[in-house]
Amino acid sequence: EPEVTQTPSHQVTQMGQEVILRCVPISNHLYFYWYRQILGQKVEFLVSFYNNEISEKSEIFDDQFSVERPDGSNFTLKIRSTKLEDSAMYFCASKSTLSYNEQFFGPGTRLTVL
Amino acid sequence: AQSVAQPEDQVNVAEGNPLTVKCTYSVSGNPYLFWYVQYPNRGLQFLLKYITGDNLVKGSYGFEAEFNKSQTSFHLKKPSALVSDSALYFCAVMRRDSWGKLQFGAGTQVVVTP
Repeated sequence: EPEVTQTPSHQVTQMGQEVILRCVPISNHLYFYWYRQILGQKVEFLVSFYNNEISEKSEIFDDQFSVERPDGSNFTLKIRSTKLEDSAMYFCASKSTLSYNEQFFGPGTRLTVL
Repeated sequence: AQSVAQPEDQVNVAEGNPLTVKCTYSVSGNPYLFWYVQYPNRGLQFLLKYITGDNLVKGSYGFEAEFNKSQTSFHLKKPSALVSDSALYFCAVMRRDSWGKLQFGAGTQVVVTP
């Protein structure tokens, strides 16, 4: 069964450093998403991406964040200058074309900012 | 403000007994409704969704959910719980005019005891 994969599973970084979280969505999916879950809190939407551009983003997704699909398979989330409050589990998700289709989530990357 | 509420932080049930996890929402425009489950150190797994039609939808692993438009609720149910159903359950809604942004409830921890 196809699945969404994410690397690394755990990333530790110093405050102010740049991090790139990587995701490989399911191959025939066209919509891509990033969510985050701060420990003990709810899962929060960050951004959606379709046709090589951001289609929707939340207030959390400020200028420190960017997303990219550098090739036909990877989907990345970059945080330019990490803050302590960026520590969270980051989930990538993808879905196929139909608007009401469910999203398939990756296992997540736990980001720890020291 | 638009919101998704899961009023119970935790639900405890004995194995073999019926399980109900509650969800209500305040989101305009007849949103699509979803349930996801999260096992420890894993990503979110899709259980079921309501798009339109029959108010009772059936999903994976014997779960079902009942949509109630007047009460804006979408409660998850299972007639006979298993110990392996112990996990964190998330209700999520998606506006029909969005690009797939899921808005999640806070989650309900289900504990099934033998």
